Amino acid sequence: AQKITQTQPGMFVQEKEAVTLDCTYDTSDPSYGLFWYKQPSSGEMIFLIYQGSYDQQNATEGRYSLNFQKARKSANLVISASQLGDSAMYFCASNQAGTALIFGKGTTLSVSS
Amino acid sequence: GAGVSQSPRYKVAKRGQDVALRCDPISGHVSLFWYQQALGQGPEFLTYFQNEAQLDKSGLPSDRFFAERPEGSVSTLKIQRTQQEDSAVYLCASSLSGGAYDYGYTFGSGTRLTVV
Repeated sequence: AQKITQTQPGMFVQEKEAVTLDCTYDTSDPSYGLFWYKQPSSGEMIFLIYQGSYDQQNATEGRYSLNFQKARKSANLVISASQLGDSAMYFCASNQAGTALIFGKGTTLSVSS
Repeated sequence: GAGVSQSPRYKVAKRGQDVALRCDPISGHVSLFWYQQALGQGPEFLTYFQNEAQLDKSGLPSDRFFAERPEGSVSTLKIQRTQQEDSAVYLCASSLSGGAYDYGYTFGSGTRLTVV
């Protein structure tokens, strides 16, 4: 069974600083996908970034990058140059062929000016 | 439609009442997923459809929960004899295929169920 662990219930960062949100995963299949979602207080689930297990390069999308360390089963999200609008809950998730996305418990990010 | 549509947006039910939550996925999306999200927690998987086939219902918390997708498009999650612990946001998501390399999951806005 898949399992996602996010050990940071809350993180605090100042505007323009970089922040790393931790995620470790456990999956039995060598083929899997890793995801990060943002959920603001409005409740919508916003897709940020995806990494496939066979991708050689770390995924990047604008200010978001995924630090993929396969041997450590780690998929940390790095947000560069934080903005006030980044304040939200962040979820790490994974899937395997034929299965649903499984989510971690989330990390609340607070960005201050 | 352009996105995943869920209705109602809010539902207040008296304990013991039956409720039905609707999810209208993106047209052509084969896979459909239901999640339950308690306040301040991550979404917990409930069940998964590929077309009309329910491939995984291992996350349904009890036999009071039932989901269907009879024609492979719209899905309904039904909760019978609601209990206070059923209070949560119920999220629906759809994707083109749902496999490991499918990262095109689209989530609806959710239905917030409050059982009083």
